[in-house]
Amino acid sequence: AQSVTQLDSHVSVSEGTPVLLRCNYSSSYSPSLFWYVQHPNKGLQLLLKYTSAATLVKGINGFEAEFKKSETSFHLTKPSAHMSDAAEYFCVVSLPDNYGQNFVFGPGTRLSVLP
Amino acid sequence: DTGVSQNPRHKITKRGQNVTFRCDPISEHNRLYWYRQTLGQGPEFLTYFQNEAQLEKSRLLSDRFSAERPKGSFSTLEIQRTEQGDSAMYLCASSLVGGTGPLAKNIQYFGAGTRLSVL
Repeated sequence: AQSVTQLDSHVSVSEGTPVLLRCNYSSSYSPSLFWYVQHPNKGLQLLLKYTSAATLVKGINGFEAEFKKSETSFHLTKPSAHMSDAAEYFCVVSLPDNYGQNFVFGPGTRLSVLP
Repeated sequence: DTGVSQNPRHKITKRGQNVTFRCDPISEHNRLYWYRQTLGQGPEFLTYFQNEAQLEKSRLLSDRFSAERPKGSFSTLEIQRTEQGDSAMYLCASSLVGGTGPLAKNIQYFGAGTRLSVL
């Protein structure tokens, strides 16, 4: 079985300070892991994807995530928050593609960026 | 290509009525997925198609829910005899699997969703 835990339902940071959004996963298989962002009234947008090629994954808009198998974690970071980063962020675990690519979403973390 | 398109964006209906939502995937994509998202939660997987074949439908919430993708292009999600608990955002996504080109990254691209309100 697969599951995703996002440890913080809401994170608030000041503009220009680092962002850390935490994600832990559980999977019976070697998972693919993703981070998606959802801005109000907009579709989910892929930030980055991990598929075992490299443990540190760089995504769009300066975000990156590190896969740590020993900790079953896939935390999302950004060195300096921008006002436009305020949104809902979802960590996603997926089975290997030949299993049907069934995505399991975490409950989400709402990121607020204060001026 | 303008991405995944969903229509309508909003649907208000009375309890007991049937509703149908449409999803047009990215044209090169062979997989299409439906999700439901309620307030404050992450999307919940419902069903998916590879071309016109529905490969997983055990996660559909009840027998009132059904989905089709008759020609392997657009898809429809129908909810019969709607209930107030069906009020949610319904999301569609598409991906390309099994190919070798730059689009074949097995990444799901999402539409903006259809928001259903059942009165």
